[in-house]
Amino acid sequence: NAGVTQTPKFRILKIGQSMTLQCTQDMNHNYMYWYRQDPGMGLKLIYYSVGAGITDKGEVPNGYNVSRSTTEDFPLRLELAAPSQTSVYFCASSYYPESSYEQYFGPGTRLTVT
Amino acid sequence: KNQVEQSPQSLIILEGKNCTLQCNYTVSPFSNLRWYKQDTGRGPVSLTIMTFSENTKSNGRYTATLDADTKQSSLHITASQLSDSASYICVVTSGYTGGGNKLTFGTGTQLKVEL
Repeated sequence: NAGVTQTPKFRILKIGQSMTLQCTQDMNHNYMYWYRQDPGMGLKLIYYSVGAGITDKGEVPNGYNVSRSTTEDFPLRLELAAPSQTSVYFCASSYYPESSYEQYFGPGTRLTVT
Repeated sequence: KNQVEQSPQSLIILEGKNCTLQCNYTVSPFSNLRWYKQDTGRGPVSLTIMTFSENTKSNGRYTATLDADTKQSSLHITASQLSDSASYICVVTSGYTGGGNKLTFGTGTQLKVEL
């Protein structure tokens, strides 16, 4: 199993550009999550999904959109990039709700918006 | 407001030595507490998870303790190795099993193990 994979690893965007961060898991997990990690801060939940076709907002959803058309994929869309979105983005998955069971994290995408 | 505070912020130790990392939390209602290891440029990897009724759990050279009364946890690393150099993150889950759960992440302790 590859686990949770994310692409790209690094990206530089100009203000106002759009992009999609890709996330795929091959563990047949129902639950998937997107977090951002800012320097000196704890991870913050952006969006999560409890299964294909079902998504919900986390703690910091503004400026982002997600979709979950398959169990495996959970892309994160930035429509109008802003400097405040400069961060490292982690995708994670778990078979059951993350509250009780282990989450598996991807390697992260480092995004810079200038 | 739920908060998780970790100390120290950073730590340098010599290979072979032991160390203890601290985590204090104000999370209610408490569900469980986890410790993650995050290598530079990688995603976090789970080390231990403890529920309210557990006060210690080990994973190899890593031993986590939990005092739910004082809302404190510690992660003890025995006989440190260079590969232990990483950020160690304490995560506390609030809420009730089955719904409305929320994870609060600490900012981590950056550990460096030197020769």
